[in-house]
Amino acid sequence: DTAVSQTPKYLVTQMGNDKSIKCEQNLGHDTMYWYKQDSKKFLKIMFSYNNKELIINETVPNRFSPKSPDKAHLNLHINSLELGDSAVYFCASSQGLEGSTYFGPGTRLTVL
Amino acid sequence: GIQVEQSPPDLILQEGANSTLRCNFSDSVNNLQWFHQNPWGQLINLFYIPSGTKQNGRLSATTVATERYSLLYISSSQTTDSGVYFCAVPYSGAGSYQLTFGKGTKLSVIP
Repeated sequence: DTAVSQTPKYLVTQMGNDKSIKCEQNLGHDTMYWYKQDSKKFLKIMFSYNNKELIINETVPNRFSPKSPDKAHLNLHINSLELGDSAVYFCASSQGLEGSTYFGPGTRLTVL
Repeated sequence: GIQVEQSPPDLILQEGANSTLRCNFSDSVNNLQWFHQNPWGQLINLFYIPSGTKQNGRLSATTVATERYSLLYISSSQTTDSGVYFCAVPYSGAGSYQLTFGKGTKLSVIP
């Protein structure tokens, strides 16, 4: 069984479009995250949710909005996509803020 | 925030060789995690190791929290060990919490 899953795996879109990436975890964790990995492989946290409450919000553009319908899901919605948004986006989860972190397979977003 | 430095940045090994990767961090931490990102991009949690030593097959990790470093040992390396190895530590401050990652060690194991 896949512990943390994301869809889609690849996303190619035009500038200005709106897109969403879905994430689900079946580990029973209470904390979920979105990370962005740039072309140099640097991983930076974007958002985290603990028990459906946003607990951190890094200085990302407000075009990015996380949505958590329940504890097992954390979706990422992006408005007005820009070229610089091209990256790999990873969803992750953990039990509590300091538990072991497990990552989804990543979504490679390419903005043309 | 906390600084995490990994060394070496790149490493090339002949299959069967052993290696040690290092992770230094600038402040005291409650835990440390090691991850492997394989050539297909998947990030795999290797160890959750706030202190002491853990072993998993050919891999082992040691964290000396008082001296602010952790080591990842890979013995009898195989081509499937290739990829990027990251260490990450939690940082909380100014009402935020995040895992801060090092820049990684890129390992290439050649047959």
